[in-house]
Amino acid sequence: KAGVTQTPRYLIKTRGQQVTLSCSPISGHRSVSWYQQTPGQGLQFLFEYFSETQRNKGNFPGRFSGRQFSNSRSEMNVSTLELGDSALYLCASSLADMSSGNTIYFGEGSWLTVV
Amino acid sequence: TQLLEQSPQFLSIQEGENLTVYCNSSSVFSSLQWYRQEPGEGPVLLVTVVTGGEVKKLKRLTFQFGDARKDSSLHITAAQPGDTGLYLCAEYPGLGGNQFYFGTGTSLTVIP
Repeated sequence: KAGVTQTPRYLIKTRGQQVTLSCSPISGHRSVSWYQQTPGQGLQFLFEYFSETQRNKGNFPGRFSGRQFSNSRSEMNVSTLELGDSALYLCASSLADMSSGNTIYFGEGSWLTVV
Repeated sequence: TQLLEQSPQFLSIQEGENLTVYCNSSSVFSSLQWYRQEPGEGPVLLVTVVTGGEVKKLKRLTFQFGDARKDSSLHITAAQPGDTGLYLCAEYPGLGGNQFYFGTGTSLTVIP
């Protein structure tokens, strides 16, 4: 079956702009979570959506937001980009949650460079 | 926020050597997962450990969960170039949902 698909794979934005990243989960998966990966901070949880509702949120400023559509596809948006937002943004999908013993599957990520 | 410390941060070894990487926390893990991330790709789950003292094997990889569930180790026997990658431990805190806390990772390079 098709894996988690993230678009775009690479993008360059200017400081102050905004960006939208897209994630299509594995068919049938209803949970989508987003992570930011940087060399200095590692993998950090941004937020998770389940059935179009934000279920968990990490410690990121309000400039980072997301949403999930009825087909489980998800988008995340970063407004007023800062240089420090340069990172690999990873999306992961799962059937439900880990308490049910499900595995999460990561996409290949979207590489964002802010100049 | 849980603090998961991984050591060593970088490791470069010759093909055929053995190695161990460690993951430690200041708190008790609910459950712990190990992932491998290859360049240009997302992390891929290797194993989940839940019970203190648990040992799991995946071919040449041996995963151990500490008795007190505050530490874990990954041992690779006879490393191969294909083992090269970033090894990440991650804790599932059991808050409901899929929020994980990841360690800073161990970057492994196996030289042919």
